[in-house]
Amino acid sequence: QKEVEQDPGPLSVPEGAIVSLNCTYSNSAFQYFMWYRQYSRKGPELLMYTYSSGNKEDGRFTAQVDKSSKYISLFIRDSQPSDSATYLCAIPNAGNNRKLIWGLGTSLAVNP
Amino acid sequence: DARVTQTPRHKVTEMGQEVTMRCQPILGHNTVFWYRQTMMQGLELLAYFRNRAPLDDSGMPKDRFSAEMPDATLATLKIQPSEPRDSAVYFCASGLQGVVSYEQYFGPGTRLTVT
Repeated sequence: QKEVEQDPGPLSVPEGAIVSLNCTYSNSAFQYFMWYRQYSRKGPELLMYTYSSGNKEDGRFTAQVDKSSKYISLFIRDSQPSDSATYLCAIPNAGNNRKLIWGLGTSLAVNP
Repeated sequence: DARVTQTPRHKVTEMGQEVTMRCQPILGHNTVFWYRQTMMQGLELLAYFRNRAPLDDSGMPKDRFSAEMPDATLATLKIQPSEPRDSAVYFCASGLQGVVSYEQYFGPGTRLTVT
């Protein structure tokens, strides 16, 4: 079992839909959870991060962590065509080496 | 506008040739990462430097890949000899990692095709 699992999709939704993107992880020691967005032919860019459990909201984006289920989610409200990208979850290794463990990424297309 | 730069952006080469990719991290950042991205494997960490010292290159095929940081403004990734299976997008990322900071800032990538 991989340490971080993410459904690669692709996911296709109409403009204005609520999008839910998810990752599961295996190590209960993980504390810090990150979401990156990658546009086609670009490098990933940090979108949001959360520490421990709970929700964090930033505009149309909400990151949620459920540590009891080892499940993290990214919700996008009122999705726009400009949200079309690949979304990757990333979790810092539970050690001192600061390496990130990456999901494969979910490809999202928001159709006008 | 601080950003990570990478050169070249695209490289097409024949099997057996040497390939050198360069990265300029964001000024002041103390960590540099080299990643390879493919559809099948996603992002794979190849090498990782902190304060220019190599900390981890366990993800890198040692017989053909090498990574160095000759100074704080330049990181290089070299493949010699290149093989078709090396075709991928190679990303450099930098970060300023302290007590609680895991953020990595990515460059635009080098798209490598080995024929």
